[in-house]
Amino acid sequence: GQNIDQPTEMTATEGAIVQINCTYQTSGFNGLFWYQQHAGEAPTFLSYNVLDGLEEKGRFSSFLSRSKGYSYLLLKELQMKDSASYLCAVVDSNYQLIWGAGTKLIIKP
Amino acid sequence: EAQVTQNPRYLITVTGKKLTVTCSQNMNHEYMSWYRQDPGLGLRQIYYSMNVEVTDKGDVPEGYKVSRKEKRNFPLILESPSPNQTSLYFCASASSGTSGSEEQYFGPGTRLTVT
Repeated sequence: GQNIDQPTEMTATEGAIVQINCTYQTSGFNGLFWYQQHAGEAPTFLSYNVLDGLEEKGRFSSFLSRSKGYSYLLLKELQMKDSASYLCAVVDSNYQLIWGAGTKLIIKP
Repeated sequence: EAQVTQNPRYLITVTGKKLTVTCSQNMNHEYMSWYRQDPGLGLRQIYYSMNVEVTDKGDVPEGYKVSRKEKRNFPLILESPSPNQTSLYFCASASSGTSGSEEQYFGPGTRLTVT
């Protein structure tokens, strides 16, 4: 079966750095997305990785290792507004998105 | 403003009373999709559409219907709602669905309660 694993919840301190991991086992791989979702709101796009390596976009970076079936989202200089759920989603061999359950990130002052 | 709209945003209904949740996008996107989101579970796809008059089942299509008669609209129909369809529903669109690499734009969500 297809499976995406993310921690259910993480806590970090304002101004710090946090890494949210995502491991996947899917039938084929055609890319990996990270979305941010504030409570009660719609998911919004953060990043897309299809090749191995690190992609940086401001305070957020996303890393992919296809051989390990692993990705992480790195958030630097955490702000209170970063409190949200972070969703990992993999594009499988049929070009369909498989979603993880999301990681709820709590930022403390 | 480029956006995906859904209506209604909140709905409380009773078992068996047919309802429709509308979804519309103004970005001329070919691909549209419906998801439901339940606590502890990821987004689960109900139906998707690659283009006008083309719809396909997602992971959890039972109890739902859709239609895609025009590019901008993709309504979700519950012919006979049941309490297990109580959920948060999202409509999403993307420029195309052929490569899977396009980001999806989500509507604001519809919180449905079936009693």
